Amino acid sequence: RKEVEQDPGPFNVPEGATVAFNCTYSNSASQSFFWYRQDCRKEPKLLMSVYSSGNEDGRFTAQLNRASQYISLLIRDSKLSDSATYLCVVNIYGAGNMLTFGGGTRLMVKP
Amino acid sequence: DADVTQTPRNRITKTGKRIMLECSQTKGHDRMYWYRQDPGLGLRLIYYSFDVKDINKGEISDGYSVSRQAQAKFSLSLESAIPNQTALYFCATSGDSGTGQETQYFGPGTRLLVL
Repeated sequence: RKEVEQDPGPFNVPEGATVAFNCTYSNSASQSFFWYRQDCRKEPKLLMSVYSSGNEDGRFTAQLNRASQYISLLIRDSKLSDSATYLCVVNIYGAGNMLTFGGGTRLMVKP
Repeated sequence: DADVTQTPRNRITKTGKRIMLECSQTKGHDRMYWYRQDPGLGLRLIYYSFDVKDINKGEISDGYSVSRQAQAKFSLSLESAIPNQTALYFCATSGDSGTGQETQYFGPGTRLLVL
């Protein structure tokens, strides 16, 4: 079983739609959680950290459920520019800043 | 200018050849990392270095070696390239606040094809 699992998609949605991705992690010692965005043939870039209380950044909302060991990302009012692959990333306690990446979920926003 | 640079950006080589991928950063970070990315598998850690004198194996270090020439430079070598090392390779850097919340900053990647 992969340590961080994501539905690879693709999720095809129209502009303006709301879309949600989930991610599950297997190691209960996971300490920090992130969503990274990766455009086609480009490097990953941090989209947002995920905090226990949940957090929002504009149209993006991230939630963490430690009991069920999953993380979610909600995108409201999707834009064409949101088309990308979204990587779920966890940092396991005691492993320094060693990140474990999920395989990514691909989002395609259509006009 | 980019904070993390990688050279070359693309490389085609033959089985058995030795190649080196180079990474430089201007962020002043102590921590540097090498990952490879394969379709559907996410990024996997090859080697990492927390400072110039500290080198550690990652999840998939077999067939690779690294050198940390300076705080700003971290190179990855394939001593004898094989076709299953065909992948997209990323270098990354991060600071160390001790919180586990540090962002990793990635270079633009090197596409390697081993024939």
